[in-house]
Amino acid sequence: GEDVEQSLFLSVREGDSSVINCTYTDSSSTYLYWYKQEPGAGLQLLTYIFSNMDMKQDQRLTVLLNKKDKHLSLRIADTQTGDSAIYFCAEIPMDSSYKLIFGSGTRLLVRP
Amino acid sequence: GAVVSQHPSWVICKSGTSVKIECRSLDFQATTMFWYRQFPKQSLMLMATSNEGSKATYEQGVEKDKFLINHASLTLSTLTVTSAHPEDSSFYICSASKGEVHSNQPQHFGDGTRLSIL
Repeated sequence: GEDVEQSLFLSVREGDSSVINCTYTDSSSTYLYWYKQEPGAGLQLLTYIFSNMDMKQDQRLTVLLNKKDKHLSLRIADTQTGDSAIYFCAEIPMDSSYKLIFGSGTRLLVRP
Repeated sequence: GAVVSQHPSWVICKSGTSVKIECRSLDFQATTMFWYRQFPKQSLMLMATSNEGSKATYEQGVEKDKFLINHASLTLSTLTVTSAHPEDSSFYICSASKGEVHSNQPQHFGDGTRLSIL
């Protein structure tokens, strides 16, 4: 079945790195996504990675994909208070009729 | 590019009222749009997939007569919550994808509509 899991909460100090982890069960997904949701707002696409890649870097964001372990992570370097939000990982399994399957979301709190 | 606009952002109305929410793709054409519902501190729950020019595909457990979806053009989908009741109060979010179905194009989300039924 399709299942995406994330830890619920992460707290870091401003300036430190944050690492948000995600595990998924369906290995057929071609792309895996990271979305950010600020309070009372919709979802903002942060980045996505193609399944044949191990790593993708975009400014302060680094995505690591371990396809063997079905593990995805998002690293935010030099975390700022503005990064405080909920982060969702998501996948589109081949047999899901193009539906995004979301994780439960990780609430990141950045302490000054 | 890839901006999705959702309107209104917040609605408060009396029980029994019907409420229409609009979702527009501003700078791209969206063959497919999606409607989600989000409860407090929870993830998004897909309600239905809206296809331009055809009937929406509803997820199991979602009442199609309660949540009417119309996708009249490649840039506009509407969700109408008919005869809304307090249990329909929630955060509704739409998304749109640039590509065709199965293209794996990322979905771009609107800012959501907070619906409060008194």
